[in-house]
Amino acid sequence: DTGVSQDPRHKITKRGQNVTFRCDPISEHNRLYWYRQTLGQGPEFLTYFQNEAQLEKSRLLSDRFSAERPKGSFSTLEIQRTEQGDSAMYLCASRSGGAFGYTFGSGTRLTVV
Amino acid sequence: DQQVKQNSPSLSVQEGRISILNCDYTNSMFDYFLWYKKYPAEGPTFLISISSIKDKNEDGRFTVFLNKSAKHLSLHIVPSQPGDSAVYFCAASAKSGGGADGLTFGKGTHLIIQP
Repeated sequence: DTGVSQDPRHKITKRGQNVTFRCDPISEHNRLYWYRQTLGQGPEFLTYFQNEAQLEKSRLLSDRFSAERPKGSFSTLEIQRTEQGDSAMYLCASRSGGAFGYTFGSGTRLTVV
Repeated sequence: DQQVKQNSPSLSVQEGRISILNCDYTNSMFDYFLWYKKYPAEGPTFLISISSIKDKNEDGRFTVFLNKSAKHLSLHIVPSQPGDSAVYFCAASAKSGGGADGLTFGKGTHLIIQP
């Protein structure tokens, strides 16, 4: 069990560029979550997958954001036409169906300049 | 509209004493509560949780108390140790009641343990 891995750890991009982040959950966890955390705030829920199905999406997930989880394993979060307001820490978490304790990754810190 | 509120941005406690972190919520659908601890540059780490059918849950130095009528919970750390210095997040879930699966977090309380 290597925990939840996120790549990259840091990303600096110019406004208007597209970025993609990857999350590798704990292998036996069928549920995967994306959260966003900005300075001084707690993590905010973005979206959730059970296996390969995306079951919930927050209103925070604008049409510039898209997430996938092909084959129910790793997940990607893509942000198109990035804006400065997208600068945040993007956290991925996973859990098995019966457990409430989510395991978080270390996050990807995005800076849009 | 903050559904989970942690009104103390920071708290300073002397090593060996009790740390009490507080959390209030507004959504009556919440039925499961969790505390997470976060160090800089790391993701949140699960500490302890409590179901709404209980009023207390204890795990070593950590105890969580839930007062449903007041919509209030607290995390007690006894005794406080230097390694406890971190940001603590209160989170809530409404999943069992048919609500969304995602957690709703408070803004966090930065706990500083002074030697």
